[in-house]
Order: sequence, then C-alpha cells, then structure tokens
Amino acid sequence: AQKITQTQPGMFVQEKEAVTLDCTYDTSDQSYGLFWYKQPSSGEMIFLIYQGSYDEQNATEGRYSLNFQKARKSANLVISASQLGDSAMYFCAMRGGRSVPIQGAQKLVFGQGTRLTINP
Amino acid sequence: KAGVTQTPRYLIKTRGQQVTLSCSPISGHRSVSWYQQTPGQGLQFLFEYFSETQRNKGNFPGRFSGRQFSNSRSEMNVSTLELGDSALYLCASSPWTSGSKETQYFGPGTRLLVL
Repeated sequence: AQKITQTQPGMFVQEKEAVTLDCTYDTSDQSYGLFWYKQPSSGEMIFLIYQGSYDEQNATEGRYSLNFQKARKSANLVISASQLGDSAMYFCAMRGGRSVPIQGAQKLVFGQGTRLTINP
Repeated sequence: KAGVTQTPRYLIKTRGQQVTLSCSPISGHRSVSWYQQTPGQGLQFLFEYFSETQRNKGNFPGRFSGRQFSNSRSEMNVSTLELGDSALYLCASSPWTSGSKETQYFGPGTRLLVL
C-alpha cells in the first residue's frame, strides 16, 4: 500500500521568504510519480509540480522546486520568494508504479495537506 | 483551452435522497477520475474511467457509482444519501497518452451538503 505523510498541519511565513513543505512517502513500487497540488479556499486543486522516481534531476517549475531524496523517501516542496497569493492548502500525492495507459493507473494517494499562510 | 468543469457547484440534499454530479473533462482528455474530500478523511479516490469503462475503484460502498459517456464526460451518482456523504467531490481529467508523467487536472469541485 502507498502512503503519503505531511507532518506540518500549518505553516506561517513572511512574504518574500522561502518556504519548505515536507512530504514523506512509503511505497514498495520501484517506479512511481510524486505530485504537489495547491488548493485555495475556492476548492480547485491546482497542479504545481511532478517528480518521477527515476528522474535524476530535481523538478523545478518557476518558483516551485521539489527536493527529492529517494533514499529517505522524501519529496519536499520549496517555494521561493513567497507571495500573499501562495496562501492555500498544499497536498503531496503519489501515483503508483503502473504507467498510463495501463488501466487503473490514474489513482492518486494524497497526504493530509499543509495549510500555508503568507503574512504581509 | 477550457479546464475541467463540474456541475452543479453547490448542492443541498436530505438523507435518503440521491444525487448526480457531472464532470466535463478538458477537451481531448479521455480519462476521468473522481475523489471525495472531507475534513476527517481527507482526499480519497472514488473511481477512474476511461473509454466508458470503470478502470479502478476505491473503497466506497455500492451507493457510489459512476459512468462515462462516449464524449468522455462523466457522471457520478450517490444513492440513499447519508450525512457522512457531505463533502467536496472533485473530478480530474488526464490525456491518457503514455508514461508516468501523466498529470491529472482537477475541476473546481461540487460541494454537497446532506441534511
């Protein structure tokens, strides 16, 4: 079974500071994908960044980067130069070893989330 | 390109009733998945559809069902509603092309309140 653990229920950060959101995972799959999503109060889940288990480089997308440490089974999200609009819930998620288009491959397992608040 | 759309956005029902939620995926996306989000249980996978067939199902009772149409639009139905079914129901679509980078894109969700 796959499991995602996010140990920070809430974080408060000053605007323009960098912030790291923790995520650890557990899986017996050799191949898997890790995702981060942002959920504002409106409810929509916004895709931020993806890291594959075999990717040698840490993923980056603009101000978002993923600090992937495979041996430690961690996939922390780093947001540089935080902005007020970054205030939201952040979810780490995993998809298991079966790659699309194998059926049943789409299921995401989510962590409990971290509520990030950016203070002006 | 338009994103995933879900209707209705808000819904209030009473116990014992049934409800149908609708999801239109991003144009060209062929896979649709559904998730339930509650404060207590977090985000839980309900089911996944591709080519009008259910490909995977989460650990939910048979009161929860779904279907997908030939245009990839999907509906989910919950019969005999219980108070615990109050939740945000999220639909996600993906292209169903290939590879592990396949990303799911979510809609705004339907907030269901059962009284």
